[in-house]
Amino acid sequence: KAGVTQTPRYLIKTRGQQVTLSCSPISGHRSVSWYQQTPGQGLQFLFEYFSETQRNKGNFPGRFSGRQFSNSRSEMNVSTLELGDSALYLCASSADAHSYEQYFGPGTRLTVT
Amino acid sequence: DQQVKQNSPSLSVQEGRISILNCDYTNSMFDYLLWYKKYPAEGPTFLISISSIKDKNEDGRFTVFLNKSAKHLSLHIVPSQPGDSAVYFCAASARNNAGNMLTFGGGTRLMVKP
Repeated sequence: KAGVTQTPRYLIKTRGQQVTLSCSPISGHRSVSWYQQTPGQGLQFLFEYFSETQRNKGNFPGRFSGRQFSNSRSEMNVSTLELGDSALYLCASSADAHSYEQYFGPGTRLTVT
Repeated sequence: DQQVKQNSPSLSVQEGRISILNCDYTNSMFDYLLWYKKYPAEGPTFLISISSIKDKNEDGRFTVFLNKSAKHLSLHIVPSQPGDSAVYFCAASARNNAGNMLTFGGGTRLMVKP
C-alpha cells in the first residue's frame, strides 16, 4: 500500500499571501488529521476530518481551514500568511473513526518571507 | 498548558547500551499513549503504544512502561543501535475525543554513538 502523500513538499510564500496544501491518505483510510511542527511549539494538532466532516479542531486562528473530499483526500488552507506560519505541516491518516494509531506523510515545509 | 511533556530535549547513548526516554502527562483521560520516531525530512512513524490499563508493552528491542499513578511513560530501547538516532515523540489519545486527535510532547533527540 502506498503511504500518505503530501504535495508540495516545499513551498515559499510571502507574508499576506494564502496557501493550499494537499494530502492523500493511505488507500482505505477515512480519517485525515493535520499537524503543525515548529521548533518552539513542537507538533500541534490543527484539525481532523472524517467522511468529509471536521470532527476536531485545535487552537489555531480562523486563517487555518481545511476540507476533505469524498475520496478522503484533504486540503488545508492558510490565508493572510504570517512569518510565524513558517513550519512543517504534517498530514496523518487513520483507518477508522476511533483509531489512535496514525500514519504520517513526509510533510510540507512552508517558509513565509 | 502542555498536557504532554518530554523534559529532556536530547539524550546521548553508546551503542549497545540502554536508552531510556521519558514522558509525563497531566490528563488522566488519556486512554492510549504512544511513541513515534522521526527522522529528518520524514514524517513521524509509529513505534509502540500502550493502553492506559496496562503497565508494560514490549516489541522487540522496544519496551514502554506506564506508571499511571505518576502519569509517567518511558520508552526503553535495548540494545541501542546507531540507526535509532532520531527524534522521539510521545503522544496521547483521549477517551473523550470525538475522533482521532493526538497530543504530542516536544520530542527528545536521541543520539546513539557507535
